[in-house]
Amino acid sequence: DTAVSQTPKYLVTQMGNDKSIKCEQNLGHDTMYWYKQDSKKFLKIMFSYNNKELIINETVPNRFSPKSPDKAHLNLHINSLELGDSAVYFCASSPLSGVTAYEQYFGPGTRLTVT
Amino acid sequence: GQNIDQPTEMTATEGAIVQINCTYQTSGFNGLFWYQQHAGEAPTFLSYNVLDGLEEKGRFSSFLSRSKGYSYLLLKELQMKDSASYLCAVFMFSGGYNKLIFGAGTRLAVHP
Repeated sequence: DTAVSQTPKYLVTQMGNDKSIKCEQNLGHDTMYWYKQDSKKFLKIMFSYNNKELIINETVPNRFSPKSPDKAHLNLHINSLELGDSAVYFCASSPLSGVTAYEQYFGPGTRLTVT
Repeated sequence: GQNIDQPTEMTATEGAIVQINCTYQTSGFNGLFWYQQHAGEAPTFLSYNVLDGLEEKGRFSSFLSRSKGYSYLLLKELQMKDSASYLCAVFMFSGGYNKLIFGAGTRLAVHP
């Protein structure tokens, strides 16, 4: 059973379109994240939700809107896609408490290509 | 601000030992994590250090010196499957919450 899953794995779309990426975790974790990994392989946090509540919102264009319907799901919707949005987007989750509270489990990634 | 530095690339021979260094300058430091990422795959957790010293986990060990802002990941008995990127990440408190800030990663190539 996959711990953190994302769909789709690949997404090719044109500039100006709107697209969504879905993420689900079956680990029972309270906290979920979205990261962006660009072509230079920098992995940068975008958003974090704890029990459906937004707790981290880094400097991300407001074309990006996360939504967490429940603590097992965190989706990412992107409006008016731009060329610079091309990257791999990773979803991750972590438990809330304990010494490894911030050990994060990553999904397989969604490779977004904007043409 | 924060700054995390690690070498871009390293090469090593199968069976050897390699040390990947990471230096950081951050405020609100709460710990240091190492992740492994194979090409085209997700990062996977390797180790973390909160206090100074060495943490050993099989063939992998990680060291931290908080006063020096320095960590290293030591890989022993290298295998071909260890060819991957190794990401150093600082766990820090900033803006009212904790978060992981990743370095750019060190691409390790293990050859026969």
